Amino acid sequence: AQSVTQPDIHITVSEGASLELRCNYSYGATPYLFWYVQSPGQGLQLLLKYFSGDTLVQGIKGFEAEFKRSQSSFNLRKPSVHWSDAAEYFCAVGWGDMRFGAGTRLTVKP
Amino acid sequence: DAMVIQNPRYQVTQFGKPVTLSCSQTLNHNVMYWYQQKSSQAPKLLFHYYDKDFNNEADTPDNFQSRRPNTSFCFLDIRSPGLGDAAMYLCATSTAGERHNEQFFGPGTRLTVL
Repeated sequence: AQSVTQPDIHITVSEGASLELRCNYSYGATPYLFWYVQSPGQGLQLLLKYFSGDTLVQGIKGFEAEFKRSQSSFNLRKPSVHWSDAAEYFCAVGWGDMRFGAGTRLTVKP
Repeated sequence: DAMVIQNPRYQVTQFGKPVTLSCSQTLNHNVMYWYQQKSSQAPKLLFHYYDKDFNNEADTPDNFQSRRPNTSFCFLDIRSPGLGDAAMYLCATSTAGERHNEQFFGPGTRLTVL
């Protein structure tokens, strides 16, 4: 069955610390992969996407993600978190349509 | 700026009273989607239009209907809202073709059912 898993429901990091949000997928082939961010009461904003080519992709707001085929993962990273990064993060995969993971809520401590 | 607009941002309705949510886009995308997102959950696809072709998800209740009168506009009609329909409703658009999965989202309409 096709699925997207974000193992961490909630993560808390200190401002300035590094961040990694995990995403694993189960699909028959390599799908298109996305990370979206959602601030409270807002729609989803695309951070970055992977279709093919270089497995390390750069996104907006200083985020990057690495596609690892062997691990069926597409983890999101940021070297230094800012307080404004506090939000809900969704990994999504698509192959004909899009499926979202359950989301990871990020809290940033001062 | 090209964008996806949803109106209203907040909608309050009464149990059983029909309600319509609106989505418009200036991106000229041929695919439009409606998602339901309940608190602390992932968005759940209700249906989408590929041009005028309507595609309903298998588990979308009959209570939810949609109309797309033209490329720019898409409406979500909830015929008899129940308390369980209180949620954020997100509209998204995309282009067809190789990159058709990249979706652009509106800010959402938060629906409250009293």
